[in-house]
Parts: sequence; structure tokens; C-alpha cells
Amino acid sequence: AQSVTQLGSHVSVSEGALVLLRCNYSSSVPPYLFWYVQYPNQGLQLLLKYTSAATLVKGINGFEAEFKKSETSFHLTKPSAHMSDAAEYFCAVSEGFGNEKLTFGTGTRLTIIP
Amino acid sequence: NAGVTQTPKFQVLKTGQSMTLQCAQDMNHEYMSWYRQDPGMGLRLIHYSVGAGITDQGEVPNGYNVSRSTTEDFPLRLLSAAPSQTSVYFCASSPLGAGGVLGELFFGEGSRLTVL
Repeated sequence: AQSVTQLGSHVSVSEGALVLLRCNYSSSVPPYLFWYVQYPNQGLQLLLKYTSAATLVKGINGFEAEFKKSETSFHLTKPSAHMSDAAEYFCAVSEGFGNEKLTFGTGTRLTIIP
Repeated sequence: NAGVTQTPKFQVLKTGQSMTLQCAQDMNHEYMSWYRQDPGMGLRLIHYSVGAGITDQGEVPNGYNVSRSTTEDFPLRLLSAAPSQTSVYFCASSPLGAGGVLGELFFGEGSRLTVL
């Protein structure tokens, strides 16, 4: 069964510092991986997705993630945090090929310290 | 350009009552799904559908029923509401690529349900 684990339910970084949000996945087949962001009182928005074309995926708002099969990881990074990055971030996995459902992690709330 | 529309946005029910959360999308997406969001538990999949007439269970289907008679609509029915179903519910849709690869999931604004 597919699943994702997000390490750290809360992460705080200073404005201008590196953002690193961790995600590890479990899948019986090569997975499709996603990062979504949720701002307060809103639905989720896609940040980026990995579909096996390239291991380093660039998304919106300066975020990127690297797929590492050997570590079963898909960590999200941004070189320099901005106040507007404060939100909750969700990693998600889908297997496709007859198992299209998208399974989310429990989320990481990112706080930016001025 | 409506996207995914959920109604109602807020609802209060008494234990044992039934209700339907409506979801409609105008993007001709094959895939539609319902999630519930609870603090510390992320989004958990209730039911999903890959096309009209096709539905399947997600992680937490008990107490909920769905149908997909058209591509556009995917209502979620609570059969007999319980306090444990107090949550925020999100409907989401996505196109399906070759091999069933999900595209971007488009979310509705959510429906906040309280069961007393």
C-alpha cells in the first residue's frame, strides 16, 4: 500500500534561511509524488510533482524537490524563506496504473520568523 | 471559470441526521475525490472516482456514500451523522493522463461540518 511520512509536524525558520521539509514514501511500484501547499482557510494548491521525467523537480514560488529512490525520499526545499511561505505543506503519493488515488501525509506547518 | 464548487460551506447537524455535500466541477476531469481534514491527521481519502459510474473506497469510507452519475458531479452522502464526522471536507478533481497518472488536483473551498 502506498503511504507518505512527513517528519516534523511543525518547522520554524528565519526569514532568508533555507527551508527543508521532509517526506519519505512507501510504494510497491515507481510512485508519482506531489507537494501541495495550504494557506489558511483555503483549499490545497499544487507546488510541484514528480512523474519520473527528472529527479530534481522545480515548482512554483522558488520551491524544488529531489526524488531519491535509494532513500525513498522527496524532500521539499527553498533556498531563502519569505514571510509569504508560512503555510501548511503536504506531501502526497499516487501509483497510477489502476491505483490512481492520491494519499496525503499528515502535513508540516511552516512558520517564518521575522 | 468556476473550477470545483462545493456546497454548503458550513453545516450543523444533529447526531443521526443525514445530509449530502455537493461537489461539481466544470473542467471535464475524469478523477474526483472527497477528503476530510482533521487537525494532526492531514487529509484522508474517503471515496474517489475515475469516471462516471465508477467509484471506489479510500482510507476512511465508513459512514459515507458516493455516486458518480455524471462527469461533473460527485455528491458525498452522510447516512447517519456522528460527532466523529465533524470535520472539514474537501472535494478535488483532476485530469487523468496515460496510465492513470494524476495531474494537478484542483480543490474546492471546503465544507465545514459540525455534528452535535
